[in-house]
Amino acid sequence: AQTVTQSQPEMSVQEAETVTLSCTYDTSESDYYLFWYKQPPSRQMILVIRQEAYKQQNATENRFSVNFQKAAKSFSLKISDSQLGDAAMYFCAYREGTYKYIFGTGTRLKVLA
Amino acid sequence: KAGVTQTPRYLIKTRGQQVTLSCSPISGHRSVSWYQQTPGQGLQFLFEYFSETQRNKGNFPGRFSGRQFSNSRSEMNVSTLELGDSALYLCASSFVGEGNSPLHFGNGTRLTVT
Repeated sequence: AQTVTQSQPEMSVQEAETVTLSCTYDTSESDYYLFWYKQPPSRQMILVIRQEAYKQQNATENRFSVNFQKAAKSFSLKISDSQLGDAAMYFCAYREGTYKYIFGTGTRLKVLA
Repeated sequence: KAGVTQTPRYLIKTRGQQVTLSCSPISGHRSVSWYQQTPGQGLQFLFEYFSETQRNKGNFPGRFSGRQFSNSRSEMNVSTLELGDSALYLCASSFVGEGNSPLHFGNGTRLTVT
């Protein structure tokens, strides 16, 4: 069965610094998608970044980028120039097919002023 | 475009009661999924509907059920509530047809069972 593991329950980063959140997954499939979602205190899950497994190039979205290592089944999220508004729970998610998502248990990110 | 709308935002029920949660997806989205979120457990998949048909179901007891209407709106029902059902229930919709189309989530319904 597919699993998604986020081994860091909580992380802290100084404002303007860079932080990396880890995510590993287990699958025997070759075609799948990976996502990072952010959940601020408002509770709404917001898509941060997505990665197609068939693409070797790492996805980037402004200050957010991923390090996708397909062979190692690793999908880490790097946040550069951290801002106070980045403080939230971050969830890594795996999807195969069109609708089967598996989420990790999340990493709580604290941003220190 | 309006986002995913979930109602109500908060619910307090007692053990043994039943509850119905509602979700209106983004216009044009025909897939609706439901997740249960509890501290330390992340998001647990409940079920997914597409064109009024349940395509996939998670590992939850039969007390948890759902349905989808012809306008893609969805409801989730939990019968005979237990204390352990207290959680944030999230609904998400997606546009089926684009390979990398993500889930779009609502604000969730916070259910407290006393």
